[in-house]
Amino acid sequence: EDQVTQSPEALRLQEGESSSLNCSYTVSGLRGLFWYRQDPGKGPEFLFTLYSAGEEKEKERLKATLTKKESFLHITAPKPEDSATYLCAVQGPSGSRLTFGEGTQLTVNP
Amino acid sequence: NAGVTQTPKFQVLKTGQSMTLQCAQDMNHEYMSWYRQDPGMGLRLIHYSVGAGITDQGEVPNGYNVSRSTTEDFPLRLLSAAPSQTSVYFCASSYQLHTGELFFGEGSRLTVL
Repeated sequence: EDQVTQSPEALRLQEGESSSLNCSYTVSGLRGLFWYRQDPGKGPEFLFTLYSAGEEKEKERLKATLTKKESFLHITAPKPEDSATYLCAVQGPSGSRLTFGEGTQLTVNP
Repeated sequence: NAGVTQTPKFQVLKTGQSMTLQCAQDMNHEYMSWYRQDPGMGLRLIHYSVGAGITDQGEVPNGYNVSRSTTEDFPLRLLSAAPSQTSVYFCASSYQLHTGELFFGEGSRLTVL
């Protein structure tokens, strides 16, 4: 059974204070790992896809990296508008479903 | 461009009542799915469809029914609501089955008393 564990559950940062979110996963044959952002009262919004260990993707202040057991979402010099819940999901060999973690709730204070 | 539209946004039901959550997308996506999101559980797949006339079960299908008569619409039916079905429901679509880049609706918050 595919499993995704995200840590920490919640993270408070000051504006400009860089940090990383962790996503540990167990899947028999990773087809892809995905990061989403979810704002309160909204549906998740796609950020990145990572397919193989060593791969990196960047978007503005966010950079996602992937190893064989975990993924990191690095946030450089965050701003208050980066406050959201960040979700990690994996897709196994069948490709028919995503298994989501519970998310990390990020708050960036001005 | 509306994307994925869900209705209603909020609903309160009594135990045993039935209802349908509506989902429509205007992106001509083949793949559509329903997830529920509960505190401490993450998003869990209920049912999905890879095209009109084709549906399949996800991780937590019991108590829910779906059909897909058109590419655009994918309604989720609660047959006899139970308090355990209190949740936030999200409809999501993508251009094909194997992509994990899903487009989500804004959610429907359901409370079953």
